[in-house]
Amino acid sequence: AQSVAQPEDQVNVAEGNPLTVKCTYSVSGNPYLFWYVQYPNRGLQFLLKYITGDNLVKGSYGFEAEFNKSQTSFHLKKPSALVSDSALYFCAVSPNTGFQKLVFGTGTRLLVSP
Amino acid sequence: DVKVTQSSRYLVKRTGEKVFLECVQDMDHENMFWYRQDPGLGLRLIYFSYDVKMKEKGDIPEGYSVSREKKERFSLILESASTNQTSMYLCASGKTGTSYEQYFGPGTRLTVT
Repeated sequence: AQSVAQPEDQVNVAEGNPLTVKCTYSVSGNPYLFWYVQYPNRGLQFLLKYITGDNLVKGSYGFEAEFNKSQTSFHLKKPSALVSDSALYFCAVSPNTGFQKLVFGTGTRLLVSP
Repeated sequence: DVKVTQSSRYLVKRTGEKVFLECVQDMDHENMFWYRQDPGLGLRLIYFSYDVKMKEKGDIPEGYSVSREKKERFSLILESASTNQTSMYLCASGKTGTSYEQYFGPGTRLTVT
């Protein structure tokens, strides 16, 4: 069965510092991996995805993620955090069934302090 | 821009009531999804549909049903609401293909008393 683990419920970082939100996955075959962000009282917004190719994927709002097949990880990163990055972040993996089913992690709350 | 709308942002219902949650997308997407979001549990898939009148159970379908009579509309039905169905419900849509992105609506926060 496919699964996603986000080991940290919350990540705290000071504005201007680099941030990392961790994600590991378990899926048979080649994974399709995604990051979504949820701002308060809003739906999820797509940030970035890994389908194939370059292991470093760049997305919206200056975020990037690195696919590491040997460690089955897909950590979200940003070189310099902003207070406005404070939100709930979800990692997701596609079981590649052809019906776009996504399995989501439990979410990590990012808190960026001024 | 893709737009996914949900009929209500907040809804309060009583135990035993029949509840309808509506979702409409305007991008001609084949696939539509219903999730519920609970703290500490992330998003869990209730049902999805890959075509009109087609539906597939997700991970937690018990107590729910769905209807897709038109391509743009996907309804979630709680036949007899219970307090353990108090949650945030999120609808999403996506186009069949290799991108696999899903686009989400703003969510409906349902409280069952």
